[in-house]
Amino acid sequence: EPEVTQTPSHQVTQMGQEVILRCVPISNHLYFYWYRQILGQKVEFLVSFYNNEISEKSEIFDDQFSVERPDGSNFTLKIRSTKLEDSAMYFCASGTRGGNEQFFGPGTRLTVL
Amino acid sequence: SQQGEEDPQALSIQEGENATMNCSYKTSINNLQWYRQNSGRGLVHLILIRSNEREKHSGRLRVTLDTSKKSSSLLITASRAADTASYFCATGKQAGTALIFGKGTTLSVSS
Repeated sequence: EPEVTQTPSHQVTQMGQEVILRCVPISNHLYFYWYRQILGQKVEFLVSFYNNEISEKSEIFDDQFSVERPDGSNFTLKIRSTKLEDSAMYFCASGTRGGNEQFFGPGTRLTVL
Repeated sequence: SQQGEEDPQALSIQEGENATMNCSYKTSINNLQWYRQNSGRGLVHLILIRSNEREKHSGRLRVTLDTSKKSSSLLITASRAADTASYFCATGKQAGTALIFGKGTTLSVSS
């Protein structure tokens, strides 16, 4: 069964460093999403991406964040200058056109020191 | 916001018993989805119910939706130890838009 994959599973970085989180969505999906979950808190929406552009973003998704689909398979989330409060589990999700279900990857645990 | 909020926050039951979790939300929705999350792991999609549906079944799962009360329930029948996880409801407007998650219910099933 096809699934969303994410790399790395765990990333440790120093405050102020740039990180890139990678995702490979399910191959025939057209909608892509990033969410995050701070430890012990609810899952929060960051951004959705469709047809090579951002379709929706939350207040969390400020200028420090960017997304890209550099080729036909990868979908990345970049945080330019990480802060301590960026420590969280980051989930990528994808969905089909016209389908409401979103299928999540296993997540990348980001730890900012 | 169209937040989903689950209750109870935690539920402990014995294997074989049924588990019921509730979710409430605030604004109109297109659909409501339930997800399971094992500790420290990813979110597994369980079931989606559309705003024009009242009940849906999938295996041991039964989901109801009452749009007049802005609430949903997830029933897991004949629970197993493997059902131990956190369960989240998430509300959606349409394809390609944000899902808004609740805080989740932590279910513990003991054998």
